[in-house]
Amino acid sequence: DIVMTQSPDSLAVSLGERATINCKSSQSVLYNSNNKNYLAWYQQKPGQPPKLLIYWASTRESGVPDRFSGSGSGTDFTLTISSLQAEDVAVYYCQQYYSTLALTFGGGTKVEIK
Amino acid sequence: QVQLQESGPGLVKPSETLSLTCAVSGYSISSGYYWGWIRQPPGKGLEWIGSIYDSGSTYYNPSLKSRVTISVDTSKNQFSLKLSSVTAADTAVYHCARNNILTGYPLYFDYWGQGTLVTVSS
Repeated sequence: DIVMTQSPDSLAVSLGERATINCKSSQSVLYNSNNKNYLAWYQQKPGQPPKLLIYWASTRESGVPDRFSGSGSGTDFTLTISSLQAEDVAVYYCQQYYSTLALTFGGGTKVEIK
Repeated sequence: QVQLQESGPGLVKPSETLSLTCAVSGYSISSGYYWGWIRQPPGKGLEWIGSIYDSGSTYYNPSLKSRVTISVDTSKNQFSLKLSSVTAADTAVYHCARNNILTGYPLYFDYWGQGTLVTVSS
């Protein structure tokens, strides 16, 4: 299985400040034939299912605010919230879909307001 | 708008089989996507269980494969999960979701059900 490791486990950021979440895969999720990184990001608020934010590592899902951005390639990826809003308090997960033998998620990063 | 709704018993006894159904509305399950199950133990992270195509082609998490069966009923626009020989470690919120697809393989999950808590206890 491809193991996804997120860091930090939690972070507290002031309103309007930048939040940065990291995700590292145990092997590359870059598919050379199409030059796509097979990585997605989700947001999960308490009592709700996960919501897709980003796919192909950097493509925002329709309706997702542009303060959310994804970057990275190969094994190292980042989700950035450029200006944290109160409604962004949630747990964020990365997921690789490079290996269909086992789709795997990171352990999650909890984002809170400082 | 695609909507998914899980249903099934909220309490299952150890060693028995957990059975859940996901009803899909707003989209035909036969229209060329994978449909998956993901679970989340209370207070913990997400674990993919498996995914099924409308043709019945399946992918299962290797760690659960020996106990999992996912099936699809296109006439009812729903798909189902069976997990056998359950233990307390299988206690979790079980979500169904739509897998986006590329060249016949399941990718990320773009629509999710609200989830249903299944507790394994005698």
